[in-house]
Amino acid sequence: DIQMTQSPSSLSASVGDRVTITCRASQSIGNFLNWYQHKPGRAPKLLIYGASGFQTGVPSRFSGSGSGTDFALTISGLQPEDFATYYCQHSYSAPPTFGPGTKVDIK
Amino acid sequence: QVQLVQSGAEVKKPGSSVKVSCKGSGGTFSSNVICWVRQAPGQGLEWMGGIVPLLGTATYAQKFQGRVTITADDSTNTAYMELSSLRSEDTAVYYCARGANSGYDWGLAYWGQGTLVTVSS
Repeated sequence: DIQMTQSPSSLSASVGDRVTITCRASQSIGNFLNWYQHKPGRAPKLLIYGASGFQTGVPSRFSGSGSGTDFALTISGLQPEDFATYYCQHSYSAPPTFGPGTKVDIK
Repeated sequence: QVQLVQSGAEVKKPGSSVKVSCKGSGGTFSSNVICWVRQAPGQGLEWMGGIVPLLGTATYAQKFQGRVTITADDSTNTAYMELSSLRSEDTAVYYCARGANSGYDWGLAYWGQGTLVTVSS
């Protein structure tokens, strides 16, 4: 199985900050990498698909980059509604495992 | 507009089984993968398995092999996840989710509201 790691596991940031979360796969997965946002009591939401593709309705302050084994999610100008936990997930093969998550909270 | 609506919360005894349903509406139910993902208290998201209803054969995470059965009923646009031999560690919110595109597209664009399963004696 392909293992996913994320860093940091948590971070504190202020509204307006630029935030970058990284994700690494245990083997090359091309661009088969997705990012989700998850808030307590809500279903996860797909933000970025195929490493850098936007899902409909996702604000442009979210962007994804990377290929192979190393990926990043950047939030340019953090908004109050962005405080949540972010997960990467590979979709290269079954099982499409998730990373352990990065919790973004308010400084 | 694609919607996935899951069955309600369950309380189960250790050793018993639970079956959670996920009814889809909007879009094409049969040709997109339906996955089950769970989140235990304080833990992250965990992929359990998935099925493309049109193809009928489910694939499972090794951790759950032998304990989970995922099925789908084309005629009612409903997927099911049954987990057996429940233990306290199975207490979690269980989500169904649908792939963004047809086939085994594991990018999960649509999610159910979640079903809390509590395992307690």
